[in-house]
Amino acid sequence: QVQLQESGPGLVKPSETLSLTCAVSNYSITSGYFWAWIRQHPGKGLEWVGSISHSGRTYYNPSLKSRVTISLETSKNQFSLRLSSVTAADTAVFFCVRVFPDNYMDVWGKGTTVTVSS
Amino acid sequence: QSALTQPASVSGSLGQSITISCTGTSSDVGNYNLVSWYQQLPGKAPKLLIYEVTKRPSGVSNRFSGSKSGNTASLTMSGLQAEDEADYYCCSYAGFSTWVFGGGTKLTVL
Repeated sequence: QVQLQESGPGLVKPSETLSLTCAVSNYSITSGYFWAWIRQHPGKGLEWVGSISHSGRTYYNPSLKSRVTISLETSKNQFSLRLSSVTAADTAVFFCVRVFPDNYMDVWGKGTTVTVSS
Repeated sequence: QSALTQPASVSGSLGQSITISCTGTSSDVGNYNLVSWYQQLPGKAPKLLIYEVTKRPSGVSNRFSGSKSGNTASLTMSGLQAEDEADYYCCSYAGFSTWVFGGGTKLTVL
């Protein structure tokens, strides 16, 4: 079945850029779904960070838009997240997700914890 | 883009039924039949329970059902079981390929 696996540094310094990658198994990321990042602050709810279509069109949460970049890496069948100028408020668990276009999120990665601290 | 409103917590006894509400606006819940619900067990990733307001993915128990009226969607769980104790999140499509989640509801099974 389709599997997603997040990877990246677990600790990022304030003002630096958070970079995460999501490796997708058993499904080509160019085949027709959207791909998204969702984050969850400690003890809090879920927040949609942004999405990218199978063709590379991007959509971002307005509250994060100025700092977020999501991209496809088709040769590696993975997609990535970059969040710039991070602060402690960006400390969260980040999930990568497969999204049925304009609809539901059916496959989730296990999540990776990112802490912003000096 | 404001979060959808869910009760912070609900509780029910084994075998009982409970309903979790999810209130949005005419720009999200009220405008699209594209509400989904997710179950998050402690320390785990969320799992899709309901999509398109009422539909269940293959493998999800028919004890879970969804509905919508106006700007409010609801998740009903019947025959509560101990393993249903988890956090539950609603999510609505909000247009232009954007999504908004609810704040989450913690279900306690008594």
